[in-house]
Amino acid sequence: DVKVTQSSRYLVKRTGEKVFLECVQDMDHENMFWYRQDPGLGLRLIYFSYDVKMKEKGDIPEGYSVSREKKERFSLILESASTNQTSMYLCASSLRPGLAGGRHEQFFGPGTRLTVL
Amino acid sequence: GQQLNQSPQSMFIQEGEDVSMNCTSSSIFNTWLWYKQDPGEGPVLLIALYKAGELTSNGRLTAQFGITRKDSFLNISASIPSDVGIYFCAGRGAGGTSYGKLTFGQGTILTVHP
Repeated sequence: DVKVTQSSRYLVKRTGEKVFLECVQDMDHENMFWYRQDPGLGLRLIYFSYDVKMKEKGDIPEGYSVSREKKERFSLILESASTNQTSMYLCASSLRPGLAGGRHEQFFGPGTRLTVL
Repeated sequence: GQQLNQSPQSMFIQEGEDVSMNCTSSSIFNTWLWYKQDPGEGPVLLIALYKAGELTSNGRLTAQFGITRKDSFLNISASIPSDVGIYFCAGRGAGGTSYGKLTFGQGTILTVHP
């Protein structure tokens, strides 16, 4: 079974702090994704990575950066946390569709609920 | 960008009832996926659909890829209390970029009363 783990289930930070959210997958997936989930807004893509050291902006990248130094690990960084970044953060991974027979299934971690005070 | 409209936004049903929810898109999709998210957890994949007209079941769950390729529906038969959660549709549009990006619906919140 695919396993995606996230470093914390719950996190409380103060405005202005630098925050690191870590995600690790154990299935050798090429693609990794960071989403945030807010009530009524569904899942919104922040950043994704299709290979080590490669990244692309999603729909809401402002205020976030990412790092992918190893294939299995994808980090989301809040350079200076703000209260409007209080949210549920979900990491996901998937095989590159061309290597997976065109399949696009993403597998999610348990989420990190971040509160910024 | 591509958008998915998922309905209904929420449902309150009695145990034993059947449930139906759907997603529609203004553009053609090549892939439809249905996920369930339990409270406080990440979404879990329920069913994946890759061909127009495809009808796939997973236990009490049945999902179909619409013939027009612009919609999909999920049915849950004989609901039980553990069906409670948020159900998301997700899709990948035709002609989109690679890397496996998906578009997600807003979710359907399902509540089942015993």
